[in-house]
Amino acid sequence: ELVLTQSPDTLSLSPGERATLSCRASQSVNAKYIAWYQQKPGQAPRLLISGAFSRATGIPDRFSGSGSGTDFTLTISKLEPEDFALYYCQQHERSFAFGQGTRLDIK
Amino acid sequence: EVQLVESGGGIVQPGGSLRLSCAASGFTFSIFWMHWVRQSPGKGLEWVSLIYGDGSDARYADSVKGRFTISRDNAKNTVYLEMNSLRDEDTGVYYCARVASSENLGFAFWGQGALVTVSS
Repeated sequence: ELVLTQSPDTLSLSPGERATLSCRASQSVNAKYIAWYQQKPGQAPRLLISGAFSRATGIPDRFSGSGSGTDFTLTISKLEPEDFALYYCQQHERSFAFGQGTRLDIK
Repeated sequence: EVQLVESGGGIVQPGGSLRLSCAASGFTFSIFWMHWVRQSPGKGLEWVSLIYGDGSDARYADSVKGRFTISRDNAKNTVYLEMNSLRDEDTGVYYCARVASSENLGFAFWGQGALVTVSS
């Protein structure tokens, strides 16, 4: 079973700062099968990044994805107030498992 | 515009059954895989099931295998999730989701969710 572990569980930052969210896979994953989602309270998740690097339609360029093998990263270059939310990574190479999530809080 | 609208959620006793529906519009329904994803209260996302566009194959998470059945009616543009032998831990919001494209399997479109509560 391929497990995704996200870190940290909670990240407290201020608007304008840079956020780096990590997603580690228990086995190597082809980068084209890694996605990142944002979820706000009471809302469905929103696709941010697919194929590890490609922003989904309408996603601002302050969001970027990187990584390979077992280590993948979502970077938000300059936090806006609306970016404080939950973030999940997902792999869809073997089944469609999600990581446990990282909560991005306002400091 | 792609729209996915879930219905059929509610309160059910442990051991009971419930059927969720997801009505789709704004795209050629029959060519897309469709998924169900759930989220327990205060918890993360859990993939539940998928069905191929023509309904020829389906997959399930181990946690629901043998209890849940996914199906679709392409004439009605609707995907279903039949849930039997429900347990407390099946409580949560159930979302249907569609991939972006056949080349991009990220879940680009989501419904608003249907709340399922399993409780005696």
